[in-house]
Amino acid sequence: AQKITQTQPGMFVQEKEAVTLDCTYDTSDQSYGLFWYKQPSSGEMIFLIYQGSYDEQNATEGRYSLNFQKARKSANLVISASQLGDSAMYFCAMRGLIQGAQKLVFGQGTRLTINP
Amino acid sequence: DGGITQSPKYLFRKEGQNVTLSCEQNLNHDAMYWYRQDPGQGLRLIYYSQIVNDFQKGDIAEGYSVSREKKESFPLTVTSAQKNPTAFYLCASSSRAVYGYTFGSGTRLTVV
Repeated sequence: AQKITQTQPGMFVQEKEAVTLDCTYDTSDQSYGLFWYKQPSSGEMIFLIYQGSYDEQNATEGRYSLNFQKARKSANLVISASQLGDSAMYFCAMRGLIQGAQKLVFGQGTRLTINP
Repeated sequence: DGGITQSPKYLFRKEGQNVTLSCEQNLNHDAMYWYRQDPGQGLRLIYYSQIVNDFQKGDIAEGYSVSREKKESFPLTVTSAQKNPTAFYLCASSSRAVYGYTFGSGTRLTVV
């Protein structure tokens, strides 16, 4: 079965510091995709970054980077120079083939609070 | 602009009532999904549909029903059989593109 584990229910970081949000995954598939989404209090899901299982380089999108360690099955999100607007829930998700269909499986999320 | 529209934003249901949540997309995506989110929790898959007139149960389908009569529309009905329906419901669609998932803005359902 495919599973995503986020072990940090909440994190508190000072503004301008870098922050790492942990994500480990479990799958027997060779081909899969890993996503990070941001969910502000409004509830919308904002796509941040994607990493494919065959991508050799870590994905980067502006201040976001994904530290992909395939052998350890981890896909941590790194936010550099955090800003007050980064305060939100963050979800790690994995796209895989489940029962013949591509599905997105989510972790429990990490609530990130940026302090001024 | 293309996207997913969910309505209503807030919905109140009385005990024993069925309610229907709307999800419409103009992205020409084949697949559509319904997720449920409880406070402080991740998203759990209720139903999904890969093509018109076909849909499959997700992890928590009991007490819910869906239809997919048009490619653009994937409404979710929360029936009276769903004992704890108060939650935030998110609709999503996907394309064959690598990271082609798009989410709606959600419907917050409360039982009164």
